Amino acid sequence: GAGVSQSPSNKVTEKGKDVELRCDPISGHTALYWYRQRLGQGLEFLIYFQGNSAPDKSGLPSDRFSAERTGESVSTLTIQRTQQEDSAVYLCASSPTRQGQAEQYFGPGTRLTVT
Amino acid sequence: SQQGEEDPQALSIQEGENATMNCSYKTSINNLQWYRQNSGRGLVHLILIRSNEREKHSGRLRVTLDTSKKSSSLLITASRAADTASYFCATDFLKTGANNLFFGTGTRLTVIP
Repeated sequence: GAGVSQSPSNKVTEKGKDVELRCDPISGHTALYWYRQRLGQGLEFLIYFQGNSAPDKSGLPSDRFSAERTGESVSTLTIQRTQQEDSAVYLCASSPTRQGQAEQYFGPGTRLTVT
Repeated sequence: SQQGEEDPQALSIQEGENATMNCSYKTSINNLQWYRQNSGRGLVHLILIRSNEREKHSGRLRVTLDTSKKSSSLLITASRAADTASYFCATDFLKTGANNLFFGTGTRLTVIP
């Protein structure tokens, strides 16, 4: 079956521009996560959506970062006024239930380069 | 930091040898998971071990968990070149309100054919 998909796979943008990253989770998965991974580093949690509950935004590094999710489907992560330190791979994952009780299924990621 | 830490950071072995990676963490957990990442892209779940379990097997993988030492190990037996990847442990901390997994910085495994 279809896994988690993300688009674009690569994005190069100029400093100061806004970018929007998309994630299509596995159908029926209620939980959706965004992570950021800098080169050679582990994953940093950004935001978590669970069904229709208010999202957990505790990992967003600044107010330039925001994310939305429509019901239990597509999510978009928006970074406004991008900075060079935003360069990273942004990974989306979905899970059939609250994490910790089940594995997370990851998309291939979007590699963002801010020049 | 609440992140787990893998040890070693990098490991290089010959095909057919066993590879052991360790993960340490700082606070009590609900469970611990191991993931594999190829080429800096999406992660693939390998195994989940709950806090009341001590050992778990899946194919050539063996995971142990010692909650008294706050550590886990991942053993890959009879390694293959295709096992070359980065391996991460991820913990679900026993903390009210925490929704996310905490990932370590990973062990980069290279299996030489």
